[in-house]
Amino acid sequence: ILNVEQSPQSLHVQEGDSTNFTCSFPSSNFYALHWYRWETAKSPEALFVMTLNGDEKKKGRISATLNTKEGYSYLYIKGSQPEDSATYLCAQRNYGGSQGNLIFGKGTKLSVKP
Amino acid sequence: NAGVTQTPKFQVLKTGQSMTLQCAQDMNHEYMSWYRQDPGMGLRLIHYSVGAGITDQGEVPNGYNVSRSTTEDFPLRLLSAAPSQTSVYFCASRPGQSNQPQHFGDGTRLSIL
Repeated sequence: ILNVEQSPQSLHVQEGDSTNFTCSFPSSNFYALHWYRWETAKSPEALFVMTLNGDEKKKGRISATLNTKEGYSYLYIKGSQPEDSATYLCAQRNYGGSQGNLIFGKGTKLSVKP
Repeated sequence: NAGVTQTPKFQVLKTGQSMTLQCAQDMNHEYMSWYRQDPGMGLRLIHYSVGAGITDQGEVPNGYNVSRSTTEDFPLRLLSAAPSQTSVYFCASRPGQSNQPQHFGDGTRLSIL
């Protein structure tokens, strides 16, 4: 079983602050890294799927980077807004017998105060 | 476009009862999976399927059965419900061979008394 770690567990920021959090994963047999945004009482929604070392993806004020050699990905939110409050999940997919499986971290819960 | 549809949204069972959580997707996705979400534990994989007629165990399969007779449907069965199975269950699907993201259903909140 892969061990995908996310830090911090939770984060409280003021509206307008920029913030970032980390996803760490085993670098061997890496295939892809997914980021999801999960609002309370809803289902997770995909933000990014990243596959290449050095990949950088952006969607509005949210961006992510990937380092497959050292096994980490950063998610950045620029100018946080209250509507960014959610749990952000990362998940790794690797090569191997269970090639379709995503193994999720426990998430970083972001709260943005107005 | 319905996406991934889970039913029911809520269910309360007594210990020992059995039930089936339904999951259907209309996107012709090969890969489907079931997760449970518990406080402090994140999403844990119960069972998954890479196509019709093929299923396999995930991280926490005990107490659950699945089948995949069609591409669209992937029901999860609790054979004899236990309080430890109180959780929120999510079904997800995605295309099998690509790096497309997963699509999740809205979840089923299950309480076992």
